[in-house]
Amino acid sequence: NAGVTQTPKFQVLKTGQSMTLQCAQDMNHNSMYWYRQDPGMGLRLIYYSASEGTTDKGEVPNGYNVSRLNKREFSLRLESAAPSQTSVYFCASRTGQENSPLHFGNGTRLTVT
Amino acid sequence: GNSVTQMEGPVTLSEEAFLTINCTYTATGYPSLFWYVQYPGEGLQLLLKATKADDKGSNKGFEATYRKETTSFHLEKGSVQVSDSAVYFCALSGAAGNKLTFGGGTRVLVKP
Repeated sequence: NAGVTQTPKFQVLKTGQSMTLQCAQDMNHNSMYWYRQDPGMGLRLIYYSASEGTTDKGEVPNGYNVSRLNKREFSLRLESAAPSQTSVYFCASRTGQENSPLHFGNGTRLTVT
Repeated sequence: GNSVTQMEGPVTLSEEAFLTINCTYTATGYPSLFWYVQYPGEGLQLLLKATKADDKGSNKGFEATYRKETTSFHLEKGSVQVSDSAVYFCALSGAAGNKLTFGGGTRVLVKP
């Protein structure tokens, strides 16, 4: 059972380059999320998709875009990377019911130089 | 808005010591509360949860009780092992659903 799969695991970009982080879940979950994790700041929500066909901004959406491609896949795009976007990015999913837990991928470590 | 505050780490313990990680929250309505654990190089995993006041969540020897009167959800374990070394996150899910709010995480290091 794969759960939540993120690719790539590591990425180095130069300032101004673009890239897309991929996320797929095989648990038939309705809701999907992108978080970033920075030292001392815990996890901050970038964007989320409550259900297929919808996306909403989280706490820190600036500089990012998302696409809910289908029920399984939710991608995060950096159009013009900045050093401030150096972070570890986590994708997560849940059924969408209020008390349901999040299931996380193993993360993408991104460095922007 | 919702917020979660947890004690800063790192917390360094010897094996078989008692562990407590404090967590307090601010939320409207009646949130569900969670503890997640993150082992090195991995994503977060659900450790335990509680969905209403006075509920006790438990798993792998860890416990936490939902205290509405003190808006707290402290994590405890009576006898830690080296394998418990990880970062622990307290989180809440508000009545509006869908979004979880996380605390800053507490790193725990257990020495043999």
